[in-house]
Amino acid sequence: SQQGEEDPQALSIQEGENATMNCSYKTSINNLQWYRQNSGRGLVHLILIRSNEREKHSGRLRVTLDTSKKSSSLLITASRAADTASYFCATEDSGTYKYIFGTGTRLKVLA
Amino acid sequence: EPEVTQTPSHQVTQMGQEVILRCVPISNHLYFYWYRQILGQKVEFLVSFYNNEISEKSEIFDDQFSVERPDGSNFTLKIRSTKLEDSAMYFCASSETDSTFYGNQPQHFGDGTRLSIL
Repeated sequence: SQQGEEDPQALSIQEGENATMNCSYKTSINNLQWYRQNSGRGLVHLILIRSNEREKHSGRLRVTLDTSKKSSSLLITASRAADTASYFCATEDSGTYKYIFGTGTRLKVLA
Repeated sequence: EPEVTQTPSHQVTQMGQEVILRCVPISNHLYFYWYRQILGQKVEFLVSFYNNEISEKSEIFDDQFSVERPDGSNFTLKIRSTKLEDSAMYFCASSETDSTFYGNQPQHFGDGTRLSIL
């Protein structure tokens, strides 16, 4: 698998439900970030979790990081139709400091 | 909230022509980046730029590509002789500092320029 792979690739849920997206990576990282991208728009930074952190919250977002498994999850609670977007994880490689993006999860929240 | 702006939003160019994509990063940011996203694919790092020179570049960023900060506000990406496979969304990003020295910093992205090569 490639660095920064999200699963599922697509997720469709009802408004009010929780959405969980996962990201796996392969190298050592300084941090992992989640971004949202609405169709045809740029990437909006959601949350950054450092490699020495295990969980972080921001509003309805909860991010976990397991460096032993090289994986992260993004949980969106009480989803809204406006949460419909693609969600990408990006890892900052600890050797090169380059950002490596995942393939993304397309989330559709049905009203 | 300050934001990264990119122009044009859509650029259509004939194959073999030169194209310049423009970006105005957030004013107090010091690190600048270009990424591209081919339709339906992941976002790919092209180049990072600091202190008027390239810090890192990917294998995609070959001799056909160049970056420049011609003045205190603009940051440009030039593709000298465009190919069909250069068709993509190109995103500019900036960050206040770099993780190398100051710890983890998010990058702020513009809305992108859609480049279509005919």
